[in-house]
Amino acid sequence: DVKVTQSSRYLVKRTGEKVFLECVQDMDHENMFWYRQDPGLGLRLIYFSYDVKMKEKGDIPEGYSVSREKKERFSLILESASTNQTSMYLCASSPPVNTIYFGEGSWLTVV
Amino acid sequence: AQSVAQPEDQVNVAEGNPLTVKCTYSVSGNPYLFWYVQYPNRGLQFLLKYITGDNLVKGSYGFEAEFNKSQTSFHLKKPSALVSDSALYFCAVNDYKLSFGAGTTVTVRA
Repeated sequence: DVKVTQSSRYLVKRTGEKVFLECVQDMDHENMFWYRQDPGLGLRLIYFSYDVKMKEKGDIPEGYSVSREKKERFSLILESASTNQTSMYLCASSPPVNTIYFGEGSWLTVV
Repeated sequence: AQSVAQPEDQVNVAEGNPLTVKCTYSVSGNPYLFWYVQYPNRGLQFLLKYITGDNLVKGSYGFEAEFNKSQTSFHLKKPSALVSDSALYFCAVNDYKLSFGAGTTVTVRA
């Protein structure tokens, strides 16, 4: 089975803190994604990556950055957390244009 | 630009009755269409996909979906719903990235 692991399920951070959300996949997938999910807004793509050291902006990249130094790992970085970034964050991975597999999600609360 | 729409925020059915969750899509080329399910406080689980071939696609947990090119639809169906099918369902289209519908909350009452 494909496994996408998000290191933290629940986090509480203070406004202005730098936040790292880590994601690891074990299927040697080329593509990795970060989404955020908010009630009534569905899933929105923040960033995605086709390859190591490669990244592309999704629909809502503002306030976020990403890092992909190794194929299996894709990190989401909030440079200076704000309360409007309180959300559920979902990491995913896939082969090119094929089924995307999701992690269990990380609930981030910014206070 | 690719997109999907789920016209119903909520679907309520009685256990044992047929379940349908609607999805329409808009893509410029051949569509790659997916259905996912999300249980409370969990990630999304893959149910089924349409890439090419038969218009009726069978997936996990007894679900199936019918691809209709003329109506640009990809409705999810289950002949006999279970209470355990109560969850949030997402339709998605994959061109080079996956774009989701807003989701449909399904409630199956005993």
